[in-house]
Amino acid sequence: EAGVAQSPRYKIIEKRQSVAFWCNPISGHATLYWYQQILGQGPKLLIQFQNNGVVDDSQLPKDRFSAERLKGVDSTLKIQPAKLEDSAVYLCASSLDGGEGYNEQFFGPGTRLTVL
Amino acid sequence: AQSVAQPEDQVKVAEGNPLTVKCTYSVSGNPYLFWYVQYPNRGLQFLLKYITGDNLVKGSYGFEAEFNKSQTSFHLKKPSALVSDSALYFCAVRDVVGYSTLTFGKGTMLLVSP
Repeated sequence: EAGVAQSPRYKIIEKRQSVAFWCNPISGHATLYWYQQILGQGPKLLIQFQNNGVVDDSQLPKDRFSAERLKGVDSTLKIQPAKLEDSAVYLCASSLDGGEGYNEQFFGPGTRLTVL
Repeated sequence: AQSVAQPEDQVKVAEGNPLTVKCTYSVSGNPYLFWYVQYPNRGLQFLLKYITGDNLVKGSYGFEAEFNKSQTSFHLKKPSALVSDSALYFCAVRDVVGYSTLTFGKGTMLLVSP
């Protein structure tokens, strides 16, 4: 079974530039998550999709971050414009969860973003 | 609000010795509890979870964890550590009642010396 795919693996940009990350979840997984992991901290949920609907985006900085999940499969996360504090690893995860909450999440390798 | 505490930034053990990585949690209702491991430059990997039933949960790579409701703890254990167990370990919780997202602890670095 293929795992969660993410690209790019690394990205370096200047502040105020824009950047986009892509995620392809495990086939059949209804729920997709984007997390931000700052060095020395645990992952923090940015947005959660169930199929192609947003379930939770309460911690997404909506003035600069946006995300979409087209046709309930792939997803993109965009930052525009980027700030220095956005430097982090962006993790995508997926799970079978249809709202039950007890299914484990499968994580991709992450995208390491450096904002200069 | 739900939360997770991992009181140790780092745990050091010698290979062959037992290891414990501590986790305590806070939720309004009952918890679903998870442990994940993160190797360098890789995403998180699921180790084990507690949903209901037996308080002792067994997971991947010989790890186990014990759910203690009275102490609101879910410590990760392994009887005999391996050097290859060296990694960053995260505890996570979500509330069973209502809708909540997964909250992660800050992580504990496990270092196993030869």
